[in-house]
Amino acid sequence: EIVLTQSPGTLSLSPGERATLSCRASQSVSSSYLAWYQQKPGQAPRLLIYGASTRATGIPDRFTGSGSGTDFTLTISRLEPEDFAVYYCQQYGSSPITFGQGTRLEIK
Amino acid sequence: QVQLVESGGGVVQPGRSLRLSCVASGFPFSSHGMHWVRQAPGKGLEWVATISYDGSVSYDGSYKYYADSVKGRFTISRDNSKNTLFLQMNSLRAEDTAVYYCAKPIQTYCSSTRCSYFDSWGQGTLVTVSS
Repeated sequence: EIVLTQSPGTLSLSPGERATLSCRASQSVSSSYLAWYQQKPGQAPRLLIYGASTRATGIPDRFTGSGSGTDFTLTISRLEPEDFAVYYCQQYGSSPITFGQGTRLEIK
Repeated sequence: QVQLVESGGGVVQPGRSLRLSCVASGFPFSSHGMHWVRQAPGKGLEWVATISYDGSVSYDGSYKYYADSVKGRFTISRDNSKNTLFLQMNSLRAEDTAVYYCAKPIQTYCSSTRCSYFDSWGQGTLVTVSS
C-alpha cells in the first residue's frame, strides 16, 4: 500500500499570499496518478487536480498541481477567502487507492 | 447536473448490519464504475469499495475491490435499472463509524484503479456504531 504523507499539517496564511502544499508518497506513484481535493466543513470533497497537474472542470487557474514519482505539490498562487479549507492528495496508480491525511489551510 | 444522494445511515450496535443506498441522477449511471469512500469524524478519507459499471466486481485484474478493513464484512452492489448503488455492511465495528460517501469517477467504462479519481460526491450519510 502506498502511504501518502502531507505537509505541513496546518498552514496559516493570509488572503493574497501563495500557498504550497506537499504530498510525499512512500513509493513511486505510477504515471503521476495523483489527485488533489478540497474539503470545507460539512461538505463533500471537491476534485481540484488529477493526473498530478490537470485542473478539473471549473477549477480556477490559481490552483496548480505539479510533481512526479514520490513528490507532488499543490500551489495556490493568490489565496482567496474561499480557499481556506482542508486539502487531500490521493493516489490511484495502484491498489488500494489511498489518501493523504490532509493539510489544513487556515487564515492567519 | 450530477446528483448523488446517499441514505440509510444511522446508529447501530456493534455486530449488527446496515445497508446504505446512493441514488444517482444527471449522468449515465450504468456507464460508470462507482465507489464508496468514508471519513471517520475529524479524520481523513478512506476508500472502501469499488464496483464496475456493469456490476461485475473486478479491480485491476486481481479482484481486490474492497479495502482490507472491510473485506468479508461489506458488500458493494448496484441496480442499474434504478440508478442506485448499495453498500451492505455486516458485523459492524466501532471503527466503522464514519460519514459514507458515494463517489463517481470522471471516466466511463473503466473500473480500474487508474480511473479512480472522483469528480462527483454525494453529501454523505453518517453511520455510528455504538452500544
